[in-house]
Amino acid sequence: GENVEQHPSTLSVQEGDSAVIKCTYSDSASNYFPWYKQELGKRPQLIIDIRSNVGEKKDQRIAVTLNKTAKHFSLHITETQPEDSAVYFCAASLAGANSKLTFGKGITLSVRP
Amino acid sequence: DAGITQSPRHKVTETGTPVTLRCHQTENHRYMYWYRQDPGHGLRLIHYSYGVKDTDKGEVSDGYSVSRSKTEDFLLTLESATSSQTSVYFCAISESAGLVAGGPETQYFGPGTRLLVL
Repeated sequence: GENVEQHPSTLSVQEGDSAVIKCTYSDSASNYFPWYKQELGKRPQLIIDIRSNVGEKKDQRIAVTLNKTAKHFSLHITETQPEDSAVYFCAASLAGANSKLTFGKGITLSVRP
Repeated sequence: DAGITQSPRHKVTETGTPVTLRCHQTENHRYMYWYRQDPGHGLRLIHYSYGVKDTDKGEVSDGYSVSRSKTEDFLLTLESATSSQTSVYFCAISESAGLVAGGPETQYFGPGTRLLVL
């Protein structure tokens, strides 16, 4: 089955700097890669996703890039703000009926004021 | 937030007792999922459903059962709760899973249930 890894487990940046969070996946058949943000005590919420037919997607201060050859995808956050502090989960899904998301273990991002 | 509710939101129970958690959606989505979230493990799939009375196992299904008698409700039962099942349980829904051209649809999560098994 699919295996998704996130490293490191924590990341600290200065407010205003950029943050990059990377994930790797194992199954080359995976074709859907969402990113979720989870604030303390809250539910995971989708912030951006990408499908395997595109290499990059942007939404205001966040972007996701996908490298299918290397089997990794990254979340980029520019001009970080304290409210960006949260746990970020990446996930990957295989194509096909009844496909399921496999999540990474999460990265805790801390934005220092 | 998508129309997903979970009940109860918090529960304390004793080892050996059965526990049922409920997920209710008002979106008429076909797919429903149960995950558990534990420190250092991220989100792990317990069971999922792809329609009324259609369910399948996920990554960590031992000790859990599910039922879906109506589109809007997906129940998770811990047959005999153990301390290792202390966790935060999230329900999620999606319209499809891998059947839509270009990939599966987004999963939307419920608010979660905190379960403590003493």
